Amino acid sequence: SQKIEQNSEALNIQEGKTATLTCNYTNYSPAYLQWYRQDPGRGPVFLLLIRENEKEKRKERLKVTFDTTLKQSLFHITASQPADSATYLCALPSSGGSYIPTFGRGTSLIVHP
Amino acid sequence: DTGVSQNPRHKITKRGQNVTFRCDPISEHNRLYWYRQTLGQGPEFLTYFQNEAQLEKSRLLSDRFSAERPKGSFSTLEIQRTEQGDSAMYLCASSFGQGAEETQYFGPGTRLLVL
Repeated sequence: SQKIEQNSEALNIQEGKTATLTCNYTNYSPAYLQWYRQDPGRGPVFLLLIRENEKEKRKERLKVTFDTTLKQSLFHITASQPADSATYLCALPSSGGSYIPTFGRGTSLIVHP
Repeated sequence: DTGVSQNPRHKITKRGQNVTFRCDPISEHNRLYWYRQTLGQGPEFLTYFQNEAQLEKSRLLSDRFSAERPKGSFSTLEIQRTEQGDSAMYLCASSFGQGAEETQYFGPGTRLLVL
């Protein structure tokens, strides 16, 4: 089964800076990878999906990269705002051909005004 | 509101009691998933349905856990003889599954506390 590593320590940054979160995975290389945002006491909300043949994907202030050689995805938020403070979860298919996701534990982002 | 809804939002029960949670997915979605999430962890997959068929249930945590989706619409998750270790957030998600890729839409969750 897939194992996912996300930094368990919270990331604290100043408003206006770029936040970069990391997702590392082991075992097989997935066909795609997803990022979700989760606020306290709420369910996760889908943000972006990136496929294995895509190196980079952007959506407004968000950018995701996918390096299948390093088995790593980076999630960037540019011009961060306090409203971006949340936990960000990485999710991958649990096995080849599966669409059942395995989630990482998430990384908490705190943007200070 | 046309999102995924879950009821109740909070449940406090005594150890040994049975509890049942309900999930109403987005109406056109054919897949429905149940997850458990504990503090500091990501959602942990429990089971899922495609329409009314339960296609994966081997990851249900024990035989005290069961789920149904009788008409392919709403679903219920039941935990019998609750234990303190069952205290967690139970999340439901739905998707319109057509292929290998899919995006899941989560409900707000039901937070269970077993005393």
